[in-house]
Amino acid sequence: ETGVTQTPRHLVMGMTNKKSLKCEQHLGHNAMYWYKQSAKKPLELMFVYSLEERVENNSVPSRFSPECPNSSHLFLHLHTLQPEDSALYLCASSQDQGAGANVLTFGAGSRLTVL
Amino acid sequence: GQNIDQPTEMTATEGAIVQINCTYQTSGFNGLFWYQQHAGEAPTFLSYNVLDGLEEKGRFSSFLSRSKGYSYLLLKELQMKDSASYLCAVIDSNYQLIWGAGTKLIIKP
Repeated sequence: ETGVTQTPRHLVMGMTNKKSLKCEQHLGHNAMYWYKQSAKKPLELMFVYSLEERVENNSVPSRFSPECPNSSHLFLHLHTLQPEDSALYLCASSQDQGAGANVLTFGAGSRLTVL
Repeated sequence: GQNIDQPTEMTATEGAIVQINCTYQTSGFNGLFWYQQHAGEAPTFLSYNVLDGLEEKGRFSSFLSRSKGYSYLLLKELQMKDSASYLCAVIDSNYQLIWGAGTKLIIKP
């Protein structure tokens, strides 16, 4: 148990579907993150929330829509995705965000395949 | 631009020692992380270096040279369970985390 739980672990969707990824952390952390992990590429930071406020959005297409209803939960809403969006989506949390060495605790990821 | 370089893949033998290198070119430096990621699992924190030198944690050690923009992760007495990807990440001057693409380590009996 990593303390960060992601569901579903695997998702296959068509380009016209709407789905959501869910992340829950049980660590009392104040910051939560969405990352995209593609094979043989560096992790790409998508969104950062600190104390439930979005603090960073790294030029992510609008077909990805994050939601952070409270400090323990983070969602990534998906709609009209493209095949190139197929990847592993990792959620992470840290005690704080910003200046300092913030150690990330990751979930196991949601493997997304877009047909 | 900012860049982190790591070998894509390495192979080593059970019981041996392996060194995984990471070189970085970033706008400033506020620390360097190593994470381990087993296939299909979450990345997990291994080490953090901010000062030059070697940090030892059991079978794993991490080294940093800020003047050379260089770090390595040293794994001793390799075990089959060490087969995983190892991710290097640097905190830049804006406290943004810059990631390498990871090194896949294959351990053979």
